[in-house]
Amino acid sequence: GAVVSQHPSRVICKSGTSVKIECRSLDFQATTMFWYRQFPKQSLMLMATSNEGSKATYEQGVEKDKFLINHASLTLSTLTVTSAHPEDSSFYICSARAPDPSEQYFGPGTRLTVT
Amino acid sequence: DAKTTQPPSMDCAEGRAANLPCNHSTISGNEYVYWYRQIHSQGPQYIIHGLKNNETNEMASLIITEDRKSSTLILPHATLRDTAVYYCIVKSFGGATNKLIFGTGTLLAVQP
Repeated sequence: GAVVSQHPSRVICKSGTSVKIECRSLDFQATTMFWYRQFPKQSLMLMATSNEGSKATYEQGVEKDKFLINHASLTLSTLTVTSAHPEDSSFYICSARAPDPSEQYFGPGTRLTVT
Repeated sequence: DAKTTQPPSMDCAEGRAANLPCNHSTISGNEYVYWYRQIHSQGPQYIIHGLKNNETNEMASLIITEDRKSSTLILPHATLRDTAVYYCIVKSFGGATNKLIFGTGTLLAVQP
C-alpha cells in the first residue's frame, strides 16, 4: 500500500518558538494532503486541506496565521506551528490522497509538546 | 457528509470474530462507507470501503444492509493486535477536495 511519512515523530519546543512538521508521500504523488490534530482521548480533527501549488483551505476555527501550511511539491507538505504555546501540544497527523485509487493514506503522526 | 453512530466500546475474545456496528441512516446515494482504525499513538489505517455490496479483503469484511442505513465491519479472527479505535465514516468517493471527517469511533478491546 501507499506510504506516508512524517518528520519528526516527536518534538519538544519552548513556548513562543515555531516548529515545522513535514509530511511526505513516499511512493506516489499527492495533489492533496490533509492535516489533522488529535488531543488525548479525542478523535481526529481536520485542520486544513492542502493542495499542491495553491493556498491551503482551513477548517472553521483553525487559525491560518498560526498554522502555516505549504504544499510546494507533489510529495511534500509542511505544517509550521508558529509561536507555539502549551495548548498547542497535541498529536499532529497528515494524510495524502493517492491518485488511483483515490484513497487517503495516513502518516504515523508527530507528537508535539510545548513547554 | 452524513454522520455515523457507533458504540463507544466493545470487547472481543481473541480468536473470535469481532462484529463492529455502524449506523448511517442519513447516507445519500453517492456516499460510500469507509472503515479506518487507529492503534494507540499511530496514524489511522485504512481497512475497507463499500457502496452497497458486501466487500471482503485480507483484513476484514464489510456488510452493508440493503437500505444502506447501517453496516457491520467483521474481523473474522481477532488478535490482540486488533485492539484499536475503529472509525466508520461515510463520504462520497473521489473528488478533488473530499475529506475524511472522523467521529468518535468504537474502541475494540481484544481480550486474551
